[in-house]
Amino acid sequence: AQSVTQLDSQVPVFEEAPVELRCNYSSSVSVYLFWYVQYPNQGLQLLLKYLSGSTLVKSINGFEAEFNKSQTSFHLRKPSVHISDTAEYFCAVIKTSYDKVIFGPGTSLSVIP
Amino acid sequence: DGGITQSPKYLFRKEGQNVTLSCEQNLNHDAMYWYRQDPGQGLRLIYYSQIVNDFQKGDIAEGYSVSREKKESFPLTVTSAQKNPTAFYLCASSSPLTSGGADEQFFGPGTRLTVL
Repeated sequence: AQSVTQLDSQVPVFEEAPVELRCNYSSSVSVYLFWYVQYPNQGLQLLLKYLSGSTLVKSINGFEAEFNKSQTSFHLRKPSVHISDTAEYFCAVIKTSYDKVIFGPGTSLSVIP
Repeated sequence: DGGITQSPKYLFRKEGQNVTLSCEQNLNHDAMYWYRQDPGQGLRLIYYSQIVNDFQKGDIAEGYSVSREKKESFPLTVTSAQKNPTAFYLCASSSPLTSGGADEQFFGPGTRLTVL
């Protein structure tokens, strides 16, 4: 069975500092990988995804994630965070199309002015 | 604009009453999902439907029921059998990669249900 681990439940970081949110998954087959962001009292929004090809994927607002097959990881990084990045971040995997999405427990990112 | 709507945003009900949460999408997606989110926790899958007139139980289906009579609509009923229904409920839809989509899920804004 697949599972997703986000080891850090809360990550406080000062504004303009770099941040890394960790995500590890377990699966014996190839998967698609996603990062979603949730702002308070809202639904989730897709931040970025890895389906195939280049292992480094980037979002339009400066986040990037790298797929590492050997370490079964998909860590999310941003070189300089803003106050507006304060939110809950969820890593997710799906084995194949038509399969259920497995979400990690989430990491709460708090950006300190 | 295409998207998913959920109504109402906030819902209050007395214990023992059934309540139905609405979810509508105009994205032409085949698959729809219901999740429950509790404070400080991730998403737990309640029910999902990959095609009209068909749906499957998720991880926490007890005390909930759904229907999928139309492609655009996937209402969730929280019944009196659900022991702890107070939570944030999220509806989502997706289009599989094999159908030209990308398996990413599009979420509605959520409904916060409080049972008094």
